[in-house]
Amino acid sequence: DIQMTQSPSSLPASLGDRVTITCRASQDIGNYLRWFQQKPGKSPRLMIYGATNLAAGVPSRFSGSRSGSDYSLTISSLESEDMADYYCLQSKESPLTFGSGTKLEIK
Amino acid sequence: QIQLVQSGPELKKPGESLKISCKASGYTFTDYAMQWVKQAPGKGLQYMGWINTQTGKPTYADDFKERFVFSLETSASTAYLQINNLKNEDTATYFCARTGFDYWGQGVMVTVSS
Repeated sequence: DIQMTQSPSSLPASLGDRVTITCRASQDIGNYLRWFQQKPGKSPRLMIYGATNLAAGVPSRFSGSRSGSDYSLTISSLESEDMADYYCLQSKESPLTFGSGTKLEIK
Repeated sequence: QIQLVQSGPELKKPGESLKISCKASGYTFTDYAMQWVKQAPGKGLQYMGWINTQTGKPTYADDFKERFVFSLETSASTAYLQINNLKNEDTATYFCARTGFDYWGQGVMVTVSS
């Protein structure tokens, strides 16, 4: 199975900060990478698909990038509504696998 | 509008079975496979597998090949997750999501306790 190593597990940050979350794939997954945001008690929300494409309705301060087997989700200027858990998901190969998650919290 | 509406919370005893539903609306049900995801309390997302909504063929991740059954009622645009011989470690929220993961159900909280 493809392993997705996500870091950091926790990210204290201040409003207005630029923050980056990373997932590293254990095998080639091309651009078959999605990012999700999940708030407490809610379903995950698709933020990025195809590694770099913004999902519908997602603010432009969110972006996705790829460098080799490293995939990143960046928030250019953190807002209070962005405080949530974030997960990556590879869909290149079955079984699909999620990263372990990053808790983005106010410093 | 597109919606996936799941059934309500469940409280079960170890050894019992349950069946969770996921009713789709706002799109053609058979155009998208249905995925299932587990989230234990305070833990991350775990991929369970998917069911082909055109053929009914399920595919399970390794941890879900025993006791878990995906099924469909295509005429009702509904997917089901059945869990047999429930164990305490099945306590979790279970989500359905259509392939693409752009739409998710609201989740079903399942509690297994004697």
